Amino acid sequence: NAGVTQTPKFRVLKTGQSMTLLCAQDMNHEYMYWYRQDPGMGLRLIHYSVGEGTTAKGEVPDGYNVSRLKKQNFLLGLESAAPSQTSVYFCACRTRTGELFFGEGSRLTVL
Amino acid sequence: SQQGEEDPQALSIQEGENATMNCSYKTSINNLQWYRQNSGRGLVHLILIRSNEREKHSGRLRVTLDTSKKSSSLLITASRAADTASYFCATDVRTGANNLFFGTGTRLTVIP
Repeated sequence: NAGVTQTPKFRVLKTGQSMTLLCAQDMNHEYMYWYRQDPGMGLRLIHYSVGEGTTAKGEVPDGYNVSRLKKQNFLLGLESAAPSQTSVYFCACRTRTGELFFGEGSRLTVL
Repeated sequence: SQQGEEDPQALSIQEGENATMNCSYKTSINNLQWYRQNSGRGLVHLILIRSNEREKHSGRLRVTLDTSKKSSSLLITASRAADTASYFCATDVRTGANNLFFGTGTRLTVIP
């Protein structure tokens, strides 16, 4: 019954460090997304995937990489974290009728 | 921008009152969706209305869509304290995977 699970939920990094956020879904959906949410700016799409082995850039992809090696997992990586990447990150998967199911979010602070 | 824009940015009402939030957008859409986000949580899908529909109901929620004015409204009737949350509209503007654009949300506070 988990739906979309994100790990970790909280993380603090120093500038220049790297990390990976993991998103796992148990609903067998093809399309998966990574968004970031910042105050006053709504949700902005970072990268997305239309299926296993595929990824594509969204609105704000710079500084991030993604991989979709397995259908149920979508990883978001930061190779060299910057303070501008302090944000709340949300993973989502999309149903065939177009609705999104979201995870609970991962709060990242870059010092 | 292809984002929807919600209005008002913040709304405070008494429990039992109705809450109305509006969303305006700029481009043609396939559908428009409303989501709720409780503080510190993920977004939850509430309702989807297609471009050929004018009104849709789900429990205490009523959504209208006016494609000629490029606007939608979300009405929550008989509000409860548990309805306190941020509400976002999302416009589905084209076919394909990268097609959903979110607004900045309306923050609703329901006072018990």
